[in-house]
Amino acid sequence: DVKVTQSSRYLVKRTGEKVFLECVQDMDHENMFWYRQDPGLGLRLIYFSYDVKMKEKGDIPEGYSVSREKKERFSLILESASTNQTSMYLCASSVASGSAYEQYFGPGTRLTVT
Amino acid sequence: GNSVTQMEGPVTLSEEAFLTINCTYTATGYPSLFWYVQYPGEGLQLLLKATKADDKGSNKGFEATYRKETTSFHLEKGSVQVSDSAVYFCALSDPLRNNNDMRFGAGTRLTVKP
Repeated sequence: DVKVTQSSRYLVKRTGEKVFLECVQDMDHENMFWYRQDPGLGLRLIYFSYDVKMKEKGDIPEGYSVSREKKERFSLILESASTNQTSMYLCASSVASGSAYEQYFGPGTRLTVT
Repeated sequence: GNSVTQMEGPVTLSEEAFLTINCTYTATGYPSLFWYVQYPGEGLQLLLKATKADDKGSNKGFEATYRKETTSFHLEKGSVQVSDSAVYFCALSDPLRNNNDMRFGAGTRLTVKP
């Protein structure tokens, strides 16, 4: 079974702090993704990476950066946390499966910025 | 651009009732279509998928048929159980554009009462 793990289930940080969210997958997937999930908005892509040290912006990259130094690990960084970044953050990974790229998700990190 | 619209919830049903959650899509190419499910406190899990027109995806008693003529991928189950209570997301990816670009609907929360 594919396993995607995230470093924390719940996190509380103060405004202005630098926040690191870690994601690890154990299936040698090339692609990794960070989404945020907000009620009524579904999932919105922040960044994705298709290879080590490679990254591309998603729909809402402002205020975030990412790092992928090893294939299995993809980190999301909030440079200076703000209250509007309070959200559920989901990491996912994928590899091609036939003609459809199924994504496998971690359990999520619920971040509260106060 | 590609997008997914799914019926708004929440949906509340009694056990053994028939379930339909509507999903329509907009895409310029020939997308693959997915239904994901999110149980309380967990990440998203792939429920079923279809990769071309008239394909039917099925899993755990759930079904959805890829209808190109109506650009729809409605989720159905003949008899829901309390354990089906979750949030359901319709999604698409377009293999001709960028398979990393998966678009999600806003999600539909289903509650099944005994």
